[in-house]
Amino acid sequence: GNSVTQMEGPVTLSEEAFLTINCTYTATGYPSLFWYVQYPGEGLQLLLKATKADDKGSNKGFEATYRKETTSFHLEKGSVQVSDSAVYFCAPIYNQGGKLIFGQGTELSVKP
Amino acid sequence: DTGVSQDPRHKITKRGQNVTFRCDPISEHNRLYWYRQTLGQGPEFLTYFQNEAQLEKSRLLSDRFSAERPKGSFSTLEIQRTEQGDSAMYLCASSFSGTRGETQYFGPGTRLLVL
Repeated sequence: GNSVTQMEGPVTLSEEAFLTINCTYTATGYPSLFWYVQYPGEGLQLLLKATKADDKGSNKGFEATYRKETTSFHLEKGSVQVSDSAVYFCAPIYNQGGKLIFGQGTELSVKP
Repeated sequence: DTGVSQDPRHKITKRGQNVTFRCDPISEHNRLYWYRQTLGQGPEFLTYFQNEAQLEKSRLLSDRFSAERPKGSFSTLEIQRTEQGDSAMYLCASSFSGTRGETQYFGPGTRLLVL
């Protein structure tokens, strides 16, 4: 079946460091791609999304580009803050209106 | 605009008991999803509704699990004869159908502990 693979965590960075969290998905079909974030003690929130090849989703300084040729949707941020400490989930949807398929999540810890 | 709400937020029960969770979606959303998340893992899909019709069920949803959305608004998820392996966070999400890339909005979850 369809699946997604995320970079394993935890990832520990210093404030203002550059962040990349890798995400690759299985190439069956043409999914829409999402990044969700889960802050400590809170529910899942949409961070950004992209629906077609070469689209770039962006929000709160985070970006991810839909790369069909490499089946990837890596999350990047140029300068992380302590407040970005959270668990990040990559999730494609393969059928419109269907289920999100979540990766295992990548925990990010940003130190001052 | 209120978000997705879930009740209760926490539930502790003894093995063998039945439990029921409720989810109230965002009011104009016609799709409603249930997921389960165990510690250190990403959420796993359980089932989803479009209006009152249950359109897909995961193989994870054993016959002890049943979900309903009788009037196409709120939904309930019932677990009968709970087992310790059912301990998890149960998440509800809703969306409005129509466009590619429709966003699912999640509730805060119900954390279940089976003793």
